[in-house]
Amino acid sequence: DAKTTQPPSMDCAEGRAANLPCNHSTISGNEYVYWYRQIHSQGPQYIIHGLKNNETNEMASLIITEDRKSSTLILPHATLRDTAVYYCIVRPSINFGNEKLTFGTGTRLTIIP
Amino acid sequence: GAVVSQHPSWVICKSGTSVKIECRSLDFQATTMFWYRQFPKQSLMLMATSNEGSKATYEQGVEKDKFLINHASLTLSTLTVTSAHPEDSSFYICSARDVRGFPDTQYFGPGTRLTVL
Repeated sequence: DAKTTQPPSMDCAEGRAANLPCNHSTISGNEYVYWYRQIHSQGPQYIIHGLKNNETNEMASLIITEDRKSSTLILPHATLRDTAVYYCIVRPSINFGNEKLTFGTGTRLTIIP
Repeated sequence: GAVVSQHPSWVICKSGTSVKIECRSLDFQATTMFWYRQFPKQSLMLMATSNEGSKATYEQGVEKDKFLINHASLTLSTLTVTSAHPEDSSFYICSARDVRGFPDTQYFGPGTRLTVL
C-alpha cells in the first residue's frame, strides 16, 4: 500500500476554511484517497474519497493534484465540532482485492474560537 | 449515509473473564467487517477481517484463540475477548464495508471501551 504523510497538527480559526494537506507520492493508478476523522473517544467518521478528480460533498472538498502525489482536504467553514484527528488513507479499489484501511498518525486539527 | 452500531459502548470486567462485543450494520448488509484496537494516544490498528460465513483473517501478532470473531449474518459480527487481562484494556472499534457504491466505503462504529481490572 502507498503510504501517506500528514502534518502532525494544525490550528484553524473558527469560521475559516481548514486546509489539511496529505502527501502520497508513491500512490498507484488504482488507488483511491480516503479521508476519515476521529473525534475524541469516538469511532472514525468517513468524510470523502476520490481518485483523480476533485470531489465535494456536504462535509468537505477534496482537491487532488494532477500528478496525484498529494491532496488537500478542505473544510470550508470550520466549527469547533471539527476539532479531531484527520486521517488520509490510500487504498486500492475493491476489484484489486485489498480492502484494508491502514491508519497512520493523522493530523490533529484544533479549531480556535 | 450508513450506520454502524456497537454494543456495549463500555464494559468493565474482572481479569480472566470473557467479554463479547457486537457490531451491527443498521441500514446495509456487510459481508465484510473489520475489528480494530486503539490504545491511548495511538492510531487504530487492524486486528482482523471478518467475513460472513467464513473464518476471520487475523493480522500478524493477533492471537486468534484469544480474540474470537463470529460473523454469522450479513449485519452482525461479534468479537469475544477470552480470558481478558489488564493489558487487553483498550478501545475496540469495528467497521463494516458498504459495497453499494464503487469503490466500497468502510463505515465505523462508535467503539467499545474495555477496562479489565
